[in-house]
Amino acid sequence: AQTVTQSQPEMSVQEAETVTLSCTYDTSESDYYLFWYKQPPSRQMILVIRQEAYKQQNATENRFSVNFQKAAKSFSLKISDSQLGDAAMYFCAYRREYGNKLVFGAGTILRVKS
Amino acid sequence: DTGVSQDPRHKITKRGQNVTFRCDPISEHNRLYWYRQTLGQGPEFLTYFQNEAQLEKSRLLSDRFSAERPKGSFSTLEIQRTEQGDSAMYLCASSPRGTGFTGELFFGEGSRLTVL
Repeated sequence: AQTVTQSQPEMSVQEAETVTLSCTYDTSESDYYLFWYKQPPSRQMILVIRQEAYKQQNATENRFSVNFQKAAKSFSLKISDSQLGDAAMYFCAYRREYGNKLVFGAGTILRVKS
Repeated sequence: DTGVSQDPRHKITKRGQNVTFRCDPISEHNRLYWYRQTLGQGPEFLTYFQNEAQLEKSRLLSDRFSAERPKGSFSTLEIQRTEQGDSAMYLCASSPRGTGFTGELFFGEGSRLTVL
């Protein structure tokens, strides 16, 4: 079974600084999707960024980018120019190419200091 | 369209009672998922529907849990004879059909269950 591990229960970053959240996963599949979701307090989870495993280029969405290392099974999220609104729980998630479900990590709480 | 909606948002019940949660997905989405999230943990998959067909169930979904999606639109998740261990946030998510599907799920705000 696939597993997703987020080794940082909590991270802090100063406003306008950069922070990197770590994620590793375990799979025997070669084709899959990886995601970072953001869950603000008492609000619904939303997609931050997505990476297809067959793409070597790292995904980027504005201030959010990933470092995808397929051989190492690592998928970290970098948030640049951190803003107060970035404070949330961040989940790394995996989905098989033709799978029906996401497998989530335990999450990392990100605190942004002003 | 206002996204995935869930009702009720909060439910407090006594152990042994039955509870039912409702989920209304985004209207053009044919796939619907239920997840359970306990405090400090990531969501865990419970079950998945494509239209009205329940295509996958987690072993977490014990005999006390049942989910339906009778007309391929809204879905209900019922928990019978609730136990304290059922206390959690129950999340519903939906996603669209088609070749453009990239795996993104659209989540509701969840239904929080507290079993006393």
